[in-house]
Order: sequence, then structure tokens, then C-alpha cells
Amino acid sequence: EPEVTQTPSHQVTQMGQEVILRCVPISNHLYFYWYRQILGQKVEFLVSFYNNEISEKSEIFDDQFSVERPDGSNFTLKIRSTKLEDSAMYFCASRGDRGDEQFFGPGTRLTVL
Amino acid sequence: SQQGEEDPQALSIQEGENATMNCSYKTSINNLQWYRQNSGRGLVHLILIRSNEREKHSGRLRVTLDTSKKSSSLLITASRAADTASYFCATAPWSSEKLVFGKGTKLTVNP
Repeated sequence: EPEVTQTPSHQVTQMGQEVILRCVPISNHLYFYWYRQILGQKVEFLVSFYNNEISEKSEIFDDQFSVERPDGSNFTLKIRSTKLEDSAMYFCASRGDRGDEQFFGPGTRLTVL
Repeated sequence: SQQGEEDPQALSIQEGENATMNCSYKTSINNLQWYRQNSGRGLVHLILIRSNEREKHSGRLRVTLDTSKKSSSLLITASRAADTASYFCATAPWSSEKLVFGKGTKLTVNP
């Protein structure tokens, strides 16, 4: 069964460093998303991406964040200058053209020291 | 506003019993989706129910939706120890791409 994959599973970085989180959505999906879950808190929407552009973003998704689909398979989230409060589990999700179900990857646990 | 608030926050049952989790929301929705999350792991999609549907089944799962009360319930029948996980409802508002998650119900099924 096709699934969303994410790398790395765990990333540790120093405050102020740039990180890139990678996702490979399900191959025939067209809609892509990033969410995050701070430990013990709700899963929060960050951004949605369709047709090579951001279709919606939350107030969390400020200028420090960017997304890109550099090729036909990868979808990345970049945080330019990480802060302590960026520590969270980051989930990528994708959805096909025919359904509303969003399928999530296993997540990348980001720890900012 | 807070969407997708589940209750109870925690539920502990014996294997073989049924587990019912509830979700309430505040705004108009296109659909509502239920997910399972094992500790520290990813979100597994369980079932989607549309705003014009009242009930849906998938295996041992039964989901209901009452749009007049803005609430949904997830019933897991004949629970197993492997069902131990956190369960989240996520609402999809109209004209939005995002899912809005609740805090989840932590289900423990004791063998």
C-alpha cells in the first residue's frame, strides 16, 4: 500500500541553524501539507501546497518557513533560523485528487538545542 | 475557536469491550476524519465521514456525525490490546485545505 515517507526520523540542531525536512508524498497525489505537533499538544496545520504554490498557510508559517517541491517526488519544509520553540514533530501529508482523506507520514522529530 | 474537542481525554477498558470516543466542533465542516496515533508515531487515517452522512462503518469502527449538534463519535467494537493508542478527530472546514485537530482521546485496552 502506498504511503508517505519522511526523512530524517529525528533531527537535532542548534538554535539559529537552518533545517530542511523532507517528505515523499504518495506518488499520484496532488495536494501536500505540513503539520506540526509540539509535545503534548494538538496537531497544528502549517501550510498546504498545490500546483507548485502555497494554497493556504497558518499564522505559524511565518517568513522563517518555506516549502518547495524541488522535483517530481519530494516535498520539503525549510526552517531558516530555528528557535527553541520550533522543537516539535513535523508531519507531512498528501491527498489525491479524488478524495478528501489526508494521509500522513511517520513524522520528523525536530529538536532545537 | 476550538475545533475537534474529544472526550473523554483518557479511556481505559478491558479487551473485548467497546470503546466510544466523542468529538465536538464549532464551525461548519465539509467532512470529519478520525486518526489513530501510537505513542510518538505517525497519524494513521481511520475513516472519513462527510457532512451529508450520518453514519459510516469500517471493520470494527463505526462513526456517527450529527451536524445539528456539531458532534461525532467513534465506536471501536470488540477492542484489542493493539487498539491502545491516541485517537484524534480532525475537521475540514468549508473552503479550507487544512484539518483542525482536537487534543485526542488516549485509549488503553487492557489484556
